[in-house]
Amino acid sequence: NAGVMQNPRHLVRRRGQEARLRCSPMKGHSHVYWYRQLPEEGLKFMVYLQKENIIDESGMPKERFSAEFPKEGPSILRIQQVVRGDSAAYFCASSPQGVSFNEQFFGPGTRLTVL
Amino acid sequence: AQTVTQSQPEMSVQEAETVTLSCTYDTSESDYYLFWYKQPPSRQMILVIRQEAYKQQNATENRFSVNFQKAAKSFSLKISDSQLGDAAMYFCAYRSARPRSRGQFYFGTGTSLTVIP
Repeated sequence: NAGVMQNPRHLVRRRGQEARLRCSPMKGHSHVYWYRQLPEEGLKFMVYLQKENIIDESGMPKERFSAEFPKEGPSILRIQQVVRGDSAAYFCASSPQGVSFNEQFFGPGTRLTVL
Repeated sequence: AQTVTQSQPEMSVQEAETVTLSCTYDTSESDYYLFWYKQPPSRQMILVIRQEAYKQQNATENRFSVNFQKAAKSFSLKISDSQLGDAAMYFCAYRSARPRSRGQFYFGTGTSLTVIP
């Protein structure tokens, strides 16, 4: 049973380009969470999705960031017109259920570097 | 919003010795979960131990144990017989168990643990 998969593991973009980060949850998991880890900081919640629904995006910046979790395929975190401050590690976590399940399984993260 | 505080940015311990990492949190909720995650240089988040707030008994996983003081909102991690492989960043995390919550984690800023041979 493969764990949470994220790709790419490393992504380099120039300012103004788009970054697209993918997360494939564990098999059977329908809940996905995205977190961002800035250098020297802990992980901070960005968005919580279920299949085809955004449940909570209160941690997402209002502009340039969007997320989706389609019926088929991975969850995508999209950052448009990246800036240097977007450089961070982005982690995806999944669980089979929402709150009633007390653990989330984390992927290895995508390290985004903006030049 | 819940906050999690780790007041020790860095800690070190001699191999085979015991070290305690501190964590405090702030919440008005009575039902929640607490976690310690380990993040080695690979950056993979690895669950070390978890505690349900309604349980008075402190969780234990082999060499790892917690001291959960609900009234004081304290959740420290004790690592016994420290090994070189324990060297990593350790994050304390909080998750609400309320049915209406979204279930996201709130993380502290981490403690970097060095194990000295």
